Amino acid sequence: QVQLVQSGAEVKKPGASVKVSCKASGYTFTSYGISWVRQAPGQGLEWMGWISAYNGNTNYAQKLQGRVTMTTDTSTSTAYMELRSLRSDDTAVYYCARDGAMVKGTFDYWGQGTLVTVSS
Amino acid sequence: DIQMTQSPSSVSASVGDRVTITCRASQGISSWLAWYQQKPGKAPKLLIYAASSLQSGVPSRFSGSGSGTDFTLTISSLQPEDFATYYCQQANSFPHTFGGGTKVEIK
Repeated sequence: QVQLVQSGAEVKKPGASVKVSCKASGYTFTSYGISWVRQAPGQGLEWMGWISAYNGNTNYAQKLQGRVTMTTDTSTSTAYMELRSLRSDDTAVYYCARDGAMVKGTFDYWGQGTLVTVSS
Repeated sequence: DIQMTQSPSSVSASVGDRVTITCRASQGISSWLAWYQQKPGKAPKLLIYAASSLQSGVPSRFSGSGSGTDFTLTISSLQPEDFATYYCQQANSFPHTFGGGTKVEIK
């Protein structure tokens, strides 16, 4: 069965960086893209960006350009999202999500979420 | 960027009620729209893709319709497990924006 398992919760100080991992299993990793979506406490869902697990091509949300980097390691079927220069409003649950089998750009499997808290 | 606007932001309903949620895109997105259900503390779950296609395993009381800029999600007979927040999301182009969400609450 398809699973996306994310790394554990993180607490970071403003200005620091965080790197969240998402380990995929149950499918051919390089056949599907991965998006990252975040959700601030009590707020809605925000799409952060996408990476092709096939060739590493990326597309980032404009507001995060320059602070976010998404990568994959095909040898371990793991996707990574690094966010730099953290601010308090980056406090959120971060999800990885797989491109849908039927429609790219919809997300049919999600990780369990990783809480990132930014606080001094 | 394509803006997605959902209405209402919340709705109170009873078990057995028919509930309809609307989503409007700021520009045409053909049928590239998905609906998700999210319960507190859990990841979103895909319900509908391509505006009207039911994701495998999702009960048939959920249905989606629309194309272009206007879309609806309908729950034909609300069940206790359906109380949650629902989001639309466009898959037409990057960035894949979400609507603001609709919370379905118990009346």
